[in-house]
Amino acid sequence: GIQVEQSPPDLILQEGANSTLRCNFSDSVNNLQWFHQNPWGQLINLFYIPSGTKQNGRLSATTVATERYSLLYISSSQTTDSGVYFCRYAGNNRKLIWGLGTSLAVNP
Amino acid sequence: SQTIHQWPATLVQPVGSPLSLECTVEGTSNPNLYWYRQAAGRGLQLLFYSVGIGQISSEVPQNLSASRPQDRQFILSSKKLLLSDSGFYLCAWIRLRGPGTDTQYFGPGTRLTVL
Repeated sequence: GIQVEQSPPDLILQEGANSTLRCNFSDSVNNLQWFHQNPWGQLINLFYIPSGTKQNGRLSATTVATERYSLLYISSSQTTDSGVYFCRYAGNNRKLIWGLGTSLAVNP
Repeated sequence: SQTIHQWPATLVQPVGSPLSLECTVEGTSNPNLYWYRQAAGRGLQLLFYSVGIGQISSEVPQNLSASRPQDRQFILSSKKLLLSDSGFYLCAWIRLRGPGTDTQYFGPGTRLTVL
């Protein structure tokens, strides 16, 4: 079946550092979305990005559909960025497949 | 704007007891609704999805069932809880914006502990 892999699985940063999270998928993409789950469990949509680049404040995302990956950039990280980051993929059949997430801890 | 509600927020139940978790959506009509379970803070597992009233698809065989009695109401149930049913249950809906374009929104979740 289609694989959706996120890396790294865990990441520890000092406040102010930058980071790049990666999501690889094994088939052509129809829909790619990034989520942040905060330490209280709440899942927040970050980007809907099946292709191209988007930016929202300190966060930006890029999906290169032809090479089957998406990247989430976090700049000048803050402690409130801590949590788990998920990518969610859908192919041509629109079945949703979730990555296992990257657990991020930002230390003050 | 659309909002999604779940209750209760937390629940502690003994093994063998019944379960009913409720999810309601406001501000949209005929949404696609989903129940997910998340164990140990990682990996969302799709349990059920529904494209309309009375239409339920099950992704994995298990001790749980789902119902959709109204357009914007989705219920997760069990007749007898198992220890393995513990976890964080999330309800979600999808905004369909056209072929190949949709975004998913999540409720606040219910943290279930089975003792």
